Amino acid sequence: EDKVVQSPLSLVVHEGDTVTLNCSYEVTNFRSLLWYKQEKKAPTFLFMLTSSGIEKKSGRLSSILDKKELFSILNITATQTGDSAIYLCAVFHAGGTSYGKLTFGQGTILTVHP
Amino acid sequence: EAGVTQFPSHSVIEKGQTVTLRCDPISGHDNLYWYRRVMGKEIKFLLHFVKESKQDESGMPNNRFLAERTGGTYSTLKVQPAELEDSGVYFCASGRPGANVLTFGAGSRLTVL
Repeated sequence: EDKVVQSPLSLVVHEGDTVTLNCSYEVTNFRSLLWYKQEKKAPTFLFMLTSSGIEKKSGRLSSILDKKELFSILNITATQTGDSAIYLCAVFHAGGTSYGKLTFGQGTILTVHP
Repeated sequence: EAGVTQFPSHSVIEKGQTVTLRCDPISGHDNLYWYRRVMGKEIKFLLHFVKESKQDESGMPNNRFLAERTGGTYSTLKVQPAELEDSGVYFCASGRPGANVLTFGAGSRLTVL
């Protein structure tokens, strides 16, 4: 059965700290790995990773994929209270009837205190 | 472009009643997906439309759930009759043909009492 596991499940830090969120996966028909941020409403897209070892960066956030060891990390440096959210990792499936189906991890709840 | 719109944002019904959730995808997105998050669990796939055709409905829990996408535009997900375990947040997502990323709606929270 396809599985995506995120750790930690929750994390509480203070502003300015750096955090690393983990995502490991065992899935069939891997196409890409996606990170989303969910605040009160819709999950919003952060990164799409398809190749190993290539870091994607957006401001204070960065992410990298290791397709050999089947995991990804999401780093947030100099955290701010606005980073408080649920961070979701999902694998985008390729091929056949599963094309486009996402398998999600449980999410990491990040709380950043002032 | 306008985002994925879902309605209602929250519905509270009693066990045995019927609820219909609606999703309007982004214009031009042939792919439309329904997902569900129940309390304490991960978001799980329900089904996938390509235009008006059901591509994959392997995640639908049982025959109390019926999804439609007549005309290949908006979609509805009907739960009839609703049970307590159907409570959760129902997300709709859409994507262009061949896309690697899905855009999500804000979700419809369903509470069954």
